[in-house]
Amino acid sequence: AQSVTQPDIHITVSEGASLELRCNYSYGATPYLFWYVQSPGQGLQLLLKYFSGDTLVQGIKGFEAEFKRSQSSFNLRKPSVHWSDAAEYFCAVAGGNTGNQFYFGTGTSLTVIP
Amino acid sequence: DTGVSQDPRHKITKRGQNVTFRCDPISEHNRLYWYRQTLGQGPEFLTYFQNEAQLEKSRLLSDRFSAERPKGSFSTLEIQRTEQGDSAMYLCASPTDEQFFGPGTRLTVL
Repeated sequence: AQSVTQPDIHITVSEGASLELRCNYSYGATPYLFWYVQSPGQGLQLLLKYFSGDTLVQGIKGFEAEFKRSQSSFNLRKPSVHWSDAAEYFCAVAGGNTGNQFYFGTGTSLTVIP
Repeated sequence: DTGVSQDPRHKITKRGQNVTFRCDPISEHNRLYWYRQTLGQGPEFLTYFQNEAQLEKSRLLSDRFSAERPKGSFSTLEIQRTEQGDSAMYLCASPTDEQFFGPGTRLTVL
């Protein structure tokens, strides 16, 4: 069965520092992978997605993620964090036809300190 | 704004009452999903429609829950005899190759 693990429940970084949020997935075939961000009181917004091709994908707001099949990982990175990046981040995996269920991780809460 | 709307945004009800939520997806999207999100958790799949047909239901969707999409456009999610454990954010999504989420309906059961 598909599943997503986000090992870090909460991360605190200083503004301007680099960021990496971890995501591990379990899926038998080629996964479709996503990162979403949810700010307090806001809906889920897609940051980036991976379907195939280049394993390093660029997203909005300066985020990128790298798909590593050998490690079953899809970690999210940002070279320099801004205070406005403080939010909850969710990794998700979908079935090969992108038409069935999306499985979300439990999320990583990011705090940015001045 | 993703183009997916949900109504109401907030609902407070007493235990045992019935509640109904509405989702209006992006008009040209024929698939529609309902999710539930509790505090500190990611969204959990509840059910999925292809046009008016309900094709999948999660085991989370007890017999107190029912969802409809009568004309393949908007959808409703009804919870009968609400319990305190039903308190959550109920999200609707209208996908293409990604899920476009609505703002959600936050349900509080007192």
